[in-house]
Amino acid sequence: SQQGEEDPQALSIQEGENATMNCSYKTSINNLQWYRQNSGRGLVHLILIRSNEREKHSGRLRVTLDTSKKSSSLLITASRAADTASYFCATDQGGNTGKLIFGQGTTLQVKP
Amino acid sequence: DAGVIQSPRHEVTEMGQEVTLRCKPISGHNSLFWYRQTMMRGLELLIYFNNNVPIDDSGMPEDRFSAKMPNASFSTLKIQPSEPRDSAVYFCASRQGLETQYFGPGTRLLVL
Repeated sequence: SQQGEEDPQALSIQEGENATMNCSYKTSINNLQWYRQNSGRGLVHLILIRSNEREKHSGRLRVTLDTSKKSSSLLITASRAADTASYFCATDQGGNTGKLIFGQGTTLQVKP
Repeated sequence: DAGVIQSPRHEVTEMGQEVTLRCKPISGHNSLFWYRQTMMRGLELLIYFNNNVPIDDSGMPEDRFSAKMPNASFSTLKIQPSEPRDSAVYFCASRQGLETQYFGPGTRLLVL
């Protein structure tokens, strides 16, 4: 079964608005990563947050991690049409393998 | 850097035929991952290698699937014989260390 579950499954917003996606997981993790996938393309790594971190920023991206609730959120501020893509969270359960378990993803549409 | 290279990008074959997917990881990366992505099951890890050695093949669906990594710059995923339910996008990813994975563009496989 998938470790990460994204919510919502689909999100449609206007350009300039903020987009928030959530991810919940079930077991303890070493780190949690967010990836973006444009239609018909491979996944692109966006940001990694370690289990001892609570918040991380990268440009217009803000990721939070709450290990007590086993959840993470990805916030994209001032969205652009080019942000239209699917977004996946992936959990690394540690054990020095770096094996990632991906969620089902959130499909984001940003309307110009 | 050219990134992870996969070939072919598209493959259409008939049921029962052998299919070979190829991957060239990023130079210097010591881990390589094969994933399969379908609408129904999302992104699934099939197998991964560390320093050319298979570490975890628990995601390989059945004996019809096999993967090899004869050297640090090349890996193959073979399906023999192929079946319609194998139709999916197959991704290869590579990594140096234990964190970020870099994905290739994928091979879109259609088995008729």
